[in-house]
Amino acid sequence: KAGVTQTPRYLIKTRGQQVTLSCSPISGHRSVSWYQQTPGQGLQFLFEYFSETQRNKGNFPGRFSGRQFSNSRSEMNVSTLELGDSALYLCASSPGDLAGVGEQYFGPGTRLTVT
Amino acid sequence: DAKTTQPPSMDCAEGRAANLPCNHSTISGNEYVYWYRQIHSQGPQYIIHGLKNNETNEMASLIITEDRKSSTLILPHATLRDTAVYYCIVRVSSNTGKLIFGQGTTLQVKP
Repeated sequence: KAGVTQTPRYLIKTRGQQVTLSCSPISGHRSVSWYQQTPGQGLQFLFEYFSETQRNKGNFPGRFSGRQFSNSRSEMNVSTLELGDSALYLCASSPGDLAGVGEQYFGPGTRLTVT
Repeated sequence: DAKTTQPPSMDCAEGRAANLPCNHSTISGNEYVYWYRQIHSQGPQYIIHGLKNNETNEMASLIITEDRKSSTLILPHATLRDTAVYYCIVRVSSNTGKLIFGQGTTLQVKP
């Protein structure tokens, strides 16, 4: 099976711009979660989508949003970028049901730099 | 989800067993212990998880104490490729994918 793929892998944006990141989960996985990783805060949960519905949300401002499509692919959007949004954004997928939900499979991440 | 405590760093000689401890003294009866690792600049990788019994898979073994207040991840024959940050996570296996990562343990495997 192909793993989780994320595009783009690297991105440079300017303050005030918006950005959209994409994640394709492992085939058959219905849950997609997003995480932000920075040197100062470590790995932080952003949100999770399951069957096109947001199932859980972390403590991030409303500038961070996401969605999931019927094929389970997911996108996250960050509007009005700030310097502090520079981070590695990781996507993880899991089957989504009770049996396997803790076993998350992460993609390689998108490295976002805001200048 | 219960809080975990891990040493910030550990060293291990190549070929020897690496034993990574984790304290989770406030764990509840329905909370599982999960281990992930993150090799530099890659996404975290699931290793193993357990509830109360010891678990083993092709990557590692997980030993959970009888009172479930601590656990140890064992890499039986560490290689240089096992150098990574190891995260111990305690969570309820409910229908949510949320994982709360702490600071983890940086394991350095030395030749």
